[in-house]
Amino acid sequence: LAKTTQPISMDSYEGQEVNITCSHNNIATNDYITWYQQFPSQGPRFIIQGYKTKVTNEVASLFIPADRKSSTLSLPRVSLSDTAVYYCLVAASNDYKLSFGAGTTVTVRA
Amino acid sequence: KAGVTQTPRYLIKTRGQQVTLSCSPISGHRSVSWYQQTPGQGLQFLFEYFSETQRNKGNFPGRFSGRQFSNSRSEMNVSTLELGDSALYLCASSLVAGDNQPQHFGDGTRLSIL
Repeated sequence: LAKTTQPISMDSYEGQEVNITCSHNNIATNDYITWYQQFPSQGPRFIIQGYKTKVTNEVASLFIPADRKSSTLSLPRVSLSDTAVYYCLVAASNDYKLSFGAGTTVTVRA
Repeated sequence: KAGVTQTPRYLIKTRGQQVTLSCSPISGHRSVSWYQQTPGQGLQFLFEYFSETQRNKGNFPGRFSGRQFSNSRSEMNVSTLELGDSALYLCASSLVAGDNQPQHFGDGTRLSIL
């Protein structure tokens, strides 16, 4: 099982960069790391996925060290609308879809 | 491209009744998964369907069932409803079945049991 551990909550201010680190010590060779964002009363939305090193898209960056035992989601210059729950998932055989975990609640303040 | 569509958005039932929820995946997506989300338990996987076959199943009682049609649309059914079944039920689709596939979620059906 590639269990993930991430902080329960984080606070930030508009314009700052938010970095959320997820630990996944038992990640398997074929596993990918995927992050989702969820707003209240909506379904989770795919943000970014990566396997190693760095991945960047128009929304976020994902940093994965060489040992792949952790990953960091970076949200540049957050705004109030980035207040949401962020989930880190690591594909692990058939366990990928068993649980999203509690996620990290990010609160952005003015 | 239309997203994942779930109907109805809101539903109120009483204990003992049964309910059927519907999910239309993104066009071309063949894998559909269902999740239950509650404040206490978070987001929990119910089951996954691919090519009309159940591929994975979570740890839920037999009252929860599902099916997938040849056009990839899916339904889930909950029989003998209990108060604890009150939750947001989410459907997600992906191109094919595979643990690394990013999933695309609908906005869910909010089920309230009285």
